[in-house]
Amino acid sequence: QVQLVESGGGVVQPGRSLRLSCAASRFTFSSPHAMHWVRQAPGKGLEWMAVISYDGANEYYADSVKGRFTISTDKSKNTLYLQMNNLRVEDTAVYYCARDLGYFDAFDVWGQGTMVTVSS
Amino acid sequence: QSALTQPPAASGSPGQSVTISCTGTSSDVGGHNYVSWFQQNPGKAPKLIIYEVSKRPSGVPDRFSGSKSGNTASLTVSGLQADDESDYYCGSYAGSHNFVFGTGTKVTVL
Repeated sequence: QVQLVESGGGVVQPGRSLRLSCAASRFTFSSPHAMHWVRQAPGKGLEWMAVISYDGANEYYADSVKGRFTISTDKSKNTLYLQMNNLRVEDTAVYYCARDLGYFDAFDVWGQGTMVTVSS
Repeated sequence: QSALTQPPAASGSPGQSVTISCTGTSSDVGGHNYVSWFQQNPGKAPKLIIYEVSKRPSGVPDRFSGSKSGNTASLTVSGLQADDESDYYCGSYAGSHNFVFGTGTKVTVL
């Protein structure tokens, strides 16, 4: 069964950095599947964060994280990353990686989520 | 990009149907057929139940159906069962390499 497993969450102070990982199993990053990061603040709804195309050539971000977060893939490790810099208290959330059926089609496979807490 | 609007709550008795609306704009729901619905249980990851407005992934019961009219998409759960009690989120491509989720609806089975 296709699976995504996130890691790297934790407690970090405002202004610091954190890198999340999302390891894929039983599928490889290939056409047509883009990959996304989605977050959910405690008790709140889902918020789309970032996308990377299947070939890693294109990446786009929500305005709330543009310039601070970077999405990337390492095909040799079959792993998706989210580098989060200059973290803010409002970035506190569970972060999910998700596979896309295509490109902004629908998210058909989700990881279990990893919690990021930004607090002084 | 503003979140799509969903009612905060919906409910129905076992065996009944419940319909959840998801209202956006001509830039998102009304402008594309990339509308999807997700079911989420407490502490769990979302699960895709409808994609491309009305298609069901393999394994999703046909009690779940989706539709769209103009800027509003809808999810109908027919023959409500106890384990349908969950949070439901719609989502849509919003153009310009953006995606937007709905505000979420908590479905209660009475």
